[in-house]
Amino acid sequence: EPEVTQTPSHQVTQMGQEVILRCVPISNHLYFYWYRQILGQKVEFLVSFYNNEISEKSEIFDDQFSVERPDGSNFTLKIRSTKLEDSAMYFCASRWTGLWPEAFFGQGTRLTVV
Amino acid sequence: GEDVEQSLFLSVREGDSSVINCTYTDSSSTYLYWYKQEPGAGLQLLTYIFSNMDMKQDQRLTVLLNKKDKHLSLRIADTQTGDSAIYFCAESRNAGGTSYGKLTFGQGTILTVHP
Repeated sequence: EPEVTQTPSHQVTQMGQEVILRCVPISNHLYFYWYRQILGQKVEFLVSFYNNEISEKSEIFDDQFSVERPDGSNFTLKIRSTKLEDSAMYFCASRWTGLWPEAFFGQGTRLTVV
Repeated sequence: GEDVEQSLFLSVREGDSSVINCTYTDSSSTYLYWYKQEPGAGLQLLTYIFSNMDMKQDQRLTVLLNKKDKHLSLRIADTQTGDSAIYFCAESRNAGGTSYGKLTFGQGTILTVHP
C-alpha cells in the first residue's frame, strides 16, 4: 500500500543550526502539507503546497521556515536557525486532489533542539 | 477560529465497546476525521464522514455526527488490546482546493484497553 515516508525518524540539532526534514509523498498526490506536534499539545497545521508554491500557511510558519519540492518525489521542510521551541514531532501529509478529502500522513520526524 | 476538543483518556475492558467523543466549533466544517496514532507511529486515517451525513459504519467502527450540537463520536465495537492508541478527531472546511487538506485536530484521546 502506498505510504508517505519521512526521514530521519529522529533528528537532534544544536540551537541556531539549520535542519532539513524530508518527506516522500505518495507518488500520484498533488497536495503536500507539514504539521507539527509539540509534546503534549495538538497537531498544528504549518503549511500547504501545491503546484510548486505555498498555497496556505499558518502564523507559526514564519521566515525561519521554508518548503521545497526539489525534484519529482521529495518534499522538504527547512528550519533556518532552530530554536528550543522548535522541538516537536513534524508530520508530512499528502493528498491526491483538491476534491478528495483523505490526507495521508507519514510517521513523523522527531526534532530535538538542544 | 476553529477549535476541536476531546476528552483526554478512556479506559475500557477488552470485548467492550469504546466511545470516543469530540466537539468542534466551526459550522463550516465539511469533513470530520478520525485518526489513530500508535506508539512511535504516524497518524493513520481510520475514517471520515461528510458533514451532511449522520452516521457512517465501517466494520467495527461507527461514526456518529450531530451537526446541530457539533458533536462527533467514534464507536469501536468489540475493542481489542490492539486498539490501544491515541485517537485524534479532526475537521476541515468546505473551501475546496487546499483547504480540504488543512486539518484542525483535537488534542487526542488516549484509549487503554485492559485484558
